Amino acid sequence: QVQLVQTGAEVKEPGASVKVSCKASGYTFSDYYIHWVRQAPGQGLEWMGWVLPNSGGTEFAQRFQGVVTMTRDTSITTAYMELSRLTSDDTAVYYCARGSRVTTSGATAFDIWGQGTLVTVSS
Amino acid sequence: DIVLTQSPGTLSLSPGERATLSCRASQSVSSNKLAWYQQKPGQAPSLLIYGASIRATGIPDRFSGSGSGTDFTLTISRLEPEDFAVYYCHQYHSSRTFGQGTKVEIK
Repeated sequence: QVQLVQTGAEVKEPGASVKVSCKASGYTFSDYYIHWVRQAPGQGLEWMGWVLPNSGGTEFAQRFQGVVTMTRDTSITTAYMELSRLTSDDTAVYYCARGSRVTTSGATAFDIWGQGTLVTVSS
Repeated sequence: DIVLTQSPGTLSLSPGERATLSCRASQSVSSNKLAWYQQKPGQAPSLLIYGASIRATGIPDRFSGSGSGTDFTLTISRLEPEDFAVYYCHQYHSSRTFGQGTKVEIK
């Protein structure tokens, strides 16, 4: 079935970087945008950006520009989100989610979500 | 960025009752690019409604979405025990933003 499976929880010190992976299966990976969304403890959802697997193109929310990198490896149908210069405010569950198909005109909702990866930033 | 404001913050209802959740946008969301998600504790969000009113695959018809422009509504006609959760609206017309969520709790 169509699914996104993410790596396990991470604990990082302030100032470090974290790289979260998201493995896609059950569909043609290159055909769909992958978005990243985070959720701080007890808080709502915050969109971070997207990566387009077939080209490697990216777009980020303004507040994450300069600290986030989104990449992909099409040979293993996996997308990555790397967040640098971590602070305690980056403690959150990070989700990947499938967006629109490249052949679709315009954006669509997120129909498939990964299970989430808890990133804890603590000294 | 388009700001989405959801109300109420918490809705306390009993099973069998009707739930009405509101999502108001700071600017018009054209082409009805507005979705609703349900999130249960410890789980990822799951898509309920997209295009403001189209139910996602497998979503029961007690869930309905309506609205256009800046005002959108999610209605659950008769609450089932599994419907008590947090609901988020999401616009994908201009970049992407989410509302802050409405918690539907058992009264």
